[in-house]
Amino acid sequence: KNEVEQSPQNLTAQEGEFITINCSYSVGISALHWLQQHPGGGIVSLFMLSSGKKKHGRLIATINIQEKHSSLHITASHPRDSAVYICAPDNTDKLIFGTGTRLQVFP
Amino acid sequence: DTAVSQTPKYLVTQMGNDKSIKCEQNLGHDTMYWYKQDSKKFLKIMFSYNNKELIINETVPNRFSPKSPDKAHLNLHINSLELGDSAVYFCASSNRPNYGYTFGSGTRLTVV
Repeated sequence: KNEVEQSPQNLTAQEGEFITINCSYSVGISALHWLQQHPGGGIVSLFMLSSGKKKHGRLIATINIQEKHSSLHITASHPRDSAVYICAPDNTDKLIFGTGTRLQVFP
Repeated sequence: DTAVSQTPKYLVTQMGNDKSIKCEQNLGHDTMYWYKQDSKKFLKIMFSYNNKELIINETVPNRFSPKSPDKAHLNLHINSLELGDSAVYFCASSNRPNYGYTFGSGTRLTVV
């Protein structure tokens, strides 16, 4: 079993839909990161969480440390949100990456 | 004003050659990393350096040698390149433990 499991692996949505991506992990962590990788390949850090919830624009990330679970939500999705979203628990010295969720948002 | 810059962006080379990828960060971060993204888009850490000292070396072949002349630079030298080395290599930096990561734009290495 992988140390980090993301679901779904692929997600298709219509513009305006509410999106949820889930991440479960089995390792001890100091924090958890959500990353976005655009089709062009660049990786952008969206959130770093160690507890509770964070919001940035239309993006919301939550984490439940006891249950070892985190979610990334996108409200009012837009075609420019199309990307791969990667959950990356921070295992003290290093990031451990999930396999990513490929999101496509159609107009 | 690029925060983490990698060069080159693309590298095509023949098997057996030696090549280097350079990384520089202007964020004043203490820790720098090399990650490898394989053909299935899976990311994995290779090395991390904190203030020029090697912190993590993740079962990477000896043909890969990182070098950090100062805390703003972390270069990756690869000897005797093999077909399986083809991947995208990302450099990143962070001020652990409470800061996020900033990634370079990646270097796509193709070994032919």
